[in-house]
Amino acid sequence: GENVEQHPSTLSVQEGDSAVIKCTYSDSASNYFPWYKQELGKGPQLIIDIRSNVGEKKDQRIAVTLNKTAKHFSLHITETQPEDSAVYFCAATGNQFYFGTGTSLTVIP
Amino acid sequence: GAVVSQHPSRVICKSGTSVKIECRSLDFQATTMFWYRQFPKQSLMLMATSNEGSKATYEQGVEKDKFLINHASLTLSTLTVTSAHPEDSSFYICSASDRLRGNSPLHFGNGTRLTVT
Repeated sequence: GENVEQHPSTLSVQEGDSAVIKCTYSDSASNYFPWYKQELGKGPQLIIDIRSNVGEKKDQRIAVTLNKTAKHFSLHITETQPEDSAVYFCAATGNQFYFGTGTSLTVIP
Repeated sequence: GAVVSQHPSRVICKSGTSVKIECRSLDFQATTMFWYRQFPKQSLMLMATSNEGSKATYEQGVEKDKFLINHASLTLSTLTVTSAHPEDSSFYICSASDRLRGNSPLHFGNGTRLTVT
């Protein structure tokens, strides 16, 4: 089955700086890669996703890049704000969703 | 956007009782819904896949007689924790994807915090 690894597990940045979270996957058949943000006591919320036929996607301060050859994809958050503080999960999917282990992001005001 | 409603958000029950958690897709139909359990500071652990009109598929190590799943319609799945014990205390989350959109995003409910005393 698929194996998704996510790094780092914790990340602290100063407000206004950028944050980058990286994930790798093992199954070359995976073709859809969403990112979720989970705030304390809530369910994960989809923030951005990318499909295997695209190398990069951007939505305001959030971008995702995908390297299918190397089997890795990354989440980039620019101009971070305190409200970006949360746990972020990547996922890789073919027929099933496989989640990374999560990254706890803290944005320091 | 697609909305998944999960109820209740919090529940406290006594050991030995059963608790039912509902998961509804509000503006789309879901042939399949998923139930997860999440421990503090950990990732989502898939418990079972709920299939409309058929039996759920449970992950290895998950007791099907303890965690009863019913998916009676395209918009509702329920998880019943039977004879709950303190070790069942956890955060339970459901998710679903729009059956008309193929490989589409999973949309999550806001979770249920279960505390068994």
